[in-house]
Amino acid sequence: KQEVTQIPAALSVPEGENLVLNCSFTDSAIYNLQWFRQDPGKGLTSLLLIQSSQREQTSGRLNASLDKSSGRSTLYIAASQPGDSATYLCAVRLGTGGFKTIFGAGTRLFVKA
Amino acid sequence: DGGITQSPKYLFRKEGQNVTLSCEQNLNHDAMYWYRQDPGQGLRLIYYSQIVNDFQKGDIAEGYSVSREKKESFPLTVTSAQKNPTAFYLCASSPGLVKARKNTGELFFGEGSRLTVL
Repeated sequence: KQEVTQIPAALSVPEGENLVLNCSFTDSAIYNLQWFRQDPGKGLTSLLLIQSSQREQTSGRLNASLDKSSGRSTLYIAASQPGDSATYLCAVRLGTGGFKTIFGAGTRLFVKA
Repeated sequence: DGGITQSPKYLFRKEGQNVTLSCEQNLNHDAMYWYRQDPGQGLRLIYYSQIVNDFQKGDIAEGYSVSREKKESFPLTVTSAQKNPTAFYLCASSPGLVKARKNTGELFFGEGSRLTVL
């Protein structure tokens, strides 16, 4: 059974710091891995999507990597800003390409000005 | 703008009442989903639909019902049989896997509906 774990559960950093959020999954047979951002009381906004055959994706100050063999993904945020404060969720779509996606519980990030 | 619209944003329910949450998308996606989010937990799948007039139970379907009469719409009814309905409900969609040649399987979400039982 696929399980997705995100560590740490919460993180507080000063503005300008580079940081890494971690996501681990138990079954390497995945279709894709997606990172989302969620602001309080809001829906999920897609940040980056990594296909099973890819190693990383980049968008602006964000870089996500995928290592299927070790069951790990990282989201790197460069030069963090107070506006980056939110909960970041990792989600793994099962390898059959079907309709099951497993979500981690998220990392709550606070960037201090 | 293309996207997913959920309504209402906030909803209050009395014991014994059924309530329906609306989800509409104009992304031309075949697949639609309903998730439930509780504090400190990952999202859990309630129901999903791959195509019009077809839907499947997810992990926590008991006490919920759905319909998919139109491609754009996937309403969720929270029935009185759902014992702990207070939660944040999220609707999502994705391109169909059977049609697109280059389908990334990316999920897109609405803004959510918060249901509170009085």
